[in-house]
Amino acid sequence: DAGITQSPRYKITETGRQVTLMCHQTWSHSYMFWYRQDLGHGLRLIYYSAAADITDKGEVPDGYVVSRSKTENFPLTLESATRSQTSVYFCASKISGRSYNEQFFGPGTRLTVL
Amino acid sequence: AQKVTQAQTEISVVEKEDVTLDCVYETRDTTYYLFWYKQPPSGELVFLIRRNSFDEQNEISGRYSWNFQKSTSSFNFTITASQVVDSAVYFCALSEIPTSGTYKYIFGTGTRLKVLA
Repeated sequence: DAGITQSPRYKITETGRQVTLMCHQTWSHSYMFWYRQDLGHGLRLIYYSAAADITDKGEVPDGYVVSRSKTENFPLTLESATRSQTSVYFCASKISGRSYNEQFFGPGTRLTVL
Repeated sequence: AQKVTQAQTEISVVEKEDVTLDCVYETRDTTYYLFWYKQPPSGELVFLIRRNSFDEQNEISGRYSWNFQKSTSSFNFTITASQVVDSAVYFCALSEIPTSGTYKYIFGTGTRLKVLA
């Protein structure tokens, strides 16, 4: 199916474990983003990528690692999960260029760290 | 620095009432974009509208309308004749347009709208 997908949709893990959240888009959008959504904070940007092999930190990058070897994929890894990383994670993408700036979001991954 | 304030944490209205969701933003740039997104109970984020800083015309789409006023740094969203299906969390967002590099978004904390039958 076309669009942006995330997997898994739900994940429960334990403190200290490594977790990878997957994001895949079929639009060939240049830009991809990872956000976390927490009550009282709205959405906060973790990392973003302007193209394959180009990534940069957002507002809350600590404890997360990203890579983008292919345009369509943008995995987010929690190297050693902590309880404070319990959140809903959204991946988003947008086309390049100045005229269109809206982002399109995946369905989200609800992560619980015990 | 960028900032988006949605002072209304939660609003409850009765079906068919009109409701306005407020959004106030701060930016030092003269060129920027503003957005509204809807997050229904199912959890996905749905893009509703984009407005750039050079276009202050109000926009109407069906029961939805948006009022952009640069003088007050506001981008308010009005739903006319609200329906139960409008119940959702609505987010306002701001993005500046850099001369180079990527675009970064700042989201407000959202307004939860409850439309009661």
